[in-house]
Amino acid sequence: GDSVTQMEGPVTLSEEAFLTINCTYTATGYPSLFWYVQYPGEGLQLLLKATKADDKGSNKGFEATYRKETTSFHLEKGSVQVSDSAVYFCAAPGAGSYQLTFGKGTKLSVIP
Amino acid sequence: DAGVIQSPRHEVTEMGQEVTLRCKPISGHDYLFWYRQTMMRGLELLIYFNNNVPIDDSGMPEDRFSAKMPNASFSTLKIQPSEPRDSAVYFCASSYRQLTGYTFGSGTRLTVV
Repeated sequence: GDSVTQMEGPVTLSEEAFLTINCTYTATGYPSLFWYVQYPGEGLQLLLKATKADDKGSNKGFEATYRKETTSFHLEKGSVQVSDSAVYFCAAPGAGSYQLTFGKGTKLSVIP
Repeated sequence: DAGVIQSPRHEVTEMGQEVTLRCKPISGHDYLFWYRQTMMRGLELLIYFNNNVPIDDSGMPEDRFSAKMPNASFSTLKIQPSEPRDSAVYFCASSYRQLTGYTFGSGTRLTVV
């Protein structure tokens, strides 16, 4: 099965709503975990990361906590904006140490 | 830093033609990755290099696809002959090991008609 399982979208929220995008991973040890964001017509950009268990990555109001007990790295934001509309990808190392496996992506649309 | 630079941004070609996509990674990065993105299959890893050496090309769909990295600052992905099903956005990414994640280029949107 997939080493990264991500909540399927699309997700549509009103501005200032709370966002959660679920991500779980399968890996040996305690790998670094990542969230990437892709805005329309652009490449993927690193949004945040966590390098060890219980770490919290944060950037631009987004947060994700590395939970080893549930092998999860859920993305959250307290109040989304229209400009947050994008596709979000969770990523973790795959079979090889230097190969990231990406989730299928979750498209977020924020409406005014 | 200019980031990962890909060219061209858009390519439209006829079926059967050869297509070459180019990538300049970030200076100092020792890993380079080629990905393909489509609506149906999402983001797929095609091949990756470490210190200019191909490490895993198991994602390359067919013999029509080939990739080279002649030096630390340049890589190409070639499709010969191209087919309509190759239409996708192709991304190049580079990293210094995995500690900081990957930096992606802006992609090349390939359309084969």
